[in-house]
This record gives sequence, C-alpha cells and structure tokens, in this order.
Amino acid sequence: AQSVAQPEDQVNVAEGNPLTVKCTYSVSGNPYLFWYVQYPNRGLQFLLKYITGDNLVKGSYGFEAEFNKSQTSFHLKKPSALVSDSALYFCAVRVVYGNKLVFGAGTILRVKS
Amino acid sequence: EAQVTQNPRYLITVTGKKLTVTCSQNMNHEYMSWYRQDPGLGLRQIYYSMNVEVTDKGDVPEGYKVSRKEKRNFPLILESPSPNQTSLYFCASRTSGGRTQYFGPGTRLTVL
Repeated sequence: AQSVAQPEDQVNVAEGNPLTVKCTYSVSGNPYLFWYVQYPNRGLQFLLKYITGDNLVKGSYGFEAEFNKSQTSFHLKKPSALVSDSALYFCAVRVVYGNKLVFGAGTILRVKS
Repeated sequence: EAQVTQNPRYLITVTGKKLTVTCSQNMNHEYMSWYRQDPGLGLRQIYYSMNVEVTDKGDVPEGYKVSRKEKRNFPLILESPSPNQTSLYFCASRTSGGRTQYFGPGTRLTVL
C-alpha cells in the first residue's frame, strides 16, 4: 500500500531564512513524487515533481525538492523564504503506472517578516 | 485556457437532499478523479475514471456515485448527503500516460 507522511503539522520560518518541509513515503515499486501548494480559499497548485533522473528537482516559485531513495524522502526546500510562501503544502506519491495519487496530511508553512 | 472547473464552488444543503457537483476539463484528459480534503487527513480519493464509461472506487467511495458519459465531464453525486460528507471536494484530471494531475478550484460542501 502507498502512504505518505508529513511529520510536521506546521513549520515556522523567518523571512529570508531557508525552509524545509519534510515528506517521507512508502510504496511498492518506483514512485512518482509531487508537491502541491494550497493558498487560502484556493485550489491545489502543482509545484514540482520527481519522475526519474536527477535527484534534485526544481519547481515553481524558487522551490526545489530532493529525492532520496535510501531514506524514502522527498523534502521540499527553498533557500530564502518569502511571506507570500505561507500556505498549506501537500506531498503526494503515485506508483509508476498506478492509478492512485496518495497525499500526505499537509504541512502549514508560516513565514514571518 | 486549460483548466478544470467545478460547480458550485460553495453549497450548503440538508441531510438527505440529493445533490450533484459538476466537474469539467477542457484538456481532453482521459483520467479524472474526485478527492475530499479534511483537516489532518490530507486529500483522499473518492472515485476515479480512466476513460468514458470506466470508473472505479478510490479509498473513500461510500455515500458517493459518479458517472463518466462524456470525456470532459465527471460529476460527483451524493444521493442522500449526511453531515459526515461536509468537506472540501476537488476534481482532478490528467492524460492517461501523464504524471501530473491538475486540480479544480474546489467545492466547499456543508451538510446540515
């Protein structure tokens, strides 16, 4: 069975500091991994994905994520946080050729000025 | 503009009154799915459809029905809504071989 864990309900960061939002996953087989962001009263926006190849994936708004197969992790990072990055972030996993996208519970990111 | 649309965006209803939430995509995607979002649980898949007339249950299908008569539309039907179906609902779509799902804006449903 597929599962995703986002161990932190909330991450607080000062503006200008680096941020990390953690995600670990469990699948049987090779994974596709995704990060989505949800701003208040908005739908989910796609940020980035890992399919294959380079373990460091770059996405929208300056975000990046590193796929670590041995640790089954896909942490979201940004070198310098902005107040406008404050939102709810979801990690998701899908098995290659699978039909189901499984989401983590979400992590609230709060960036304070 | 490529998009997934949902209607209505907000709905307050009463227990037992049948309702339908519509979902439409203009990207010619084969795969469509419905999710519900609840605090602390993330998004959970309700139903999905691989193509016209092909649907299957997700993780939380109880109390919901779907149909896929046309490629672009994938309505979610609640025959007899109950308060535990109060949630935020998202429709999503992708191509059959695609890796990324694109989400609609969400429908906030309250069942009293």
